[in-house]
Amino acid sequence: AQSVSQHNHHVILSEAASLELGCNYSYGGTVNLFWYVQYPGQHLQLLLKYFSGDPLVKGIKGFEAEFIKSKFSFNLRKPSVQWSDTAEYFCAVNAHARTSYDKVIFGPGTSLSVIP
Amino acid sequence: EPEVTQTPSHQVTQMGQEVILRCVPISNHLYFYWYRQILGQKVEFLVSFYNNEISEKSEIFDDQFSVERPDGSNFTLKIRSTKLEDSAMYFCASIESLDEQFFGPGTRLTVL
Repeated sequence: AQSVSQHNHHVILSEAASLELGCNYSYGGTVNLFWYVQYPGQHLQLLLKYFSGDPLVKGIKGFEAEFIKSKFSFNLRKPSVQWSDTAEYFCAVNAHARTSYDKVIFGPGTSLSVIP
Repeated sequence: EPEVTQTPSHQVTQMGQEVILRCVPISNHLYFYWYRQILGQKVEFLVSFYNNEISEKSEIFDDQFSVERPDGSNFTLKIRSTKLEDSAMYFCASIESLDEQFFGPGTRLTVL
């Protein structure tokens, strides 16, 4: 069964600090990978996704993630965080199958608090 | 930009009552999903739906739950007899093809 783990439950950073949120997944086949963000009181918003190709993926708001297949990892990074990045971040995966549209499995989430 | 919409945004109900949560997926999408997020927990898959039938359901999706696409636009989740533990945010999602699932804004269900 697929599963997703995230390294940190809660991260606190000062503005301008660099961010890296760890994510590992467990699945034997090819996967699609996602990072979603949920700002306080708002719905899920896609930050970035990886389907194939360049393992370094750039998303919105200056975020990027790197897929390392050998490590089953898809870590999220941002060189300089802002107070407005305070949110819950979810790593997610679904099976990369051309004949099905598999459910998305979410990680437990990492709560990021950025201190001005 | 097309988006998934959900109504109501907040539903309060008494334990044992039936609720229907409504979703309007993006118009040319073919696959539909319900997820839920209990406060402070991760988002969990409930059910997927394609071609007017359930494709997959999780163990959470028991006999109290049902889904329906009553017309060409709406996709509903019904909970027959709500329990306290059904209190959660319920997200609808849809997808056209091999792309990411587009999530709606969610319905917050509070069972008293």
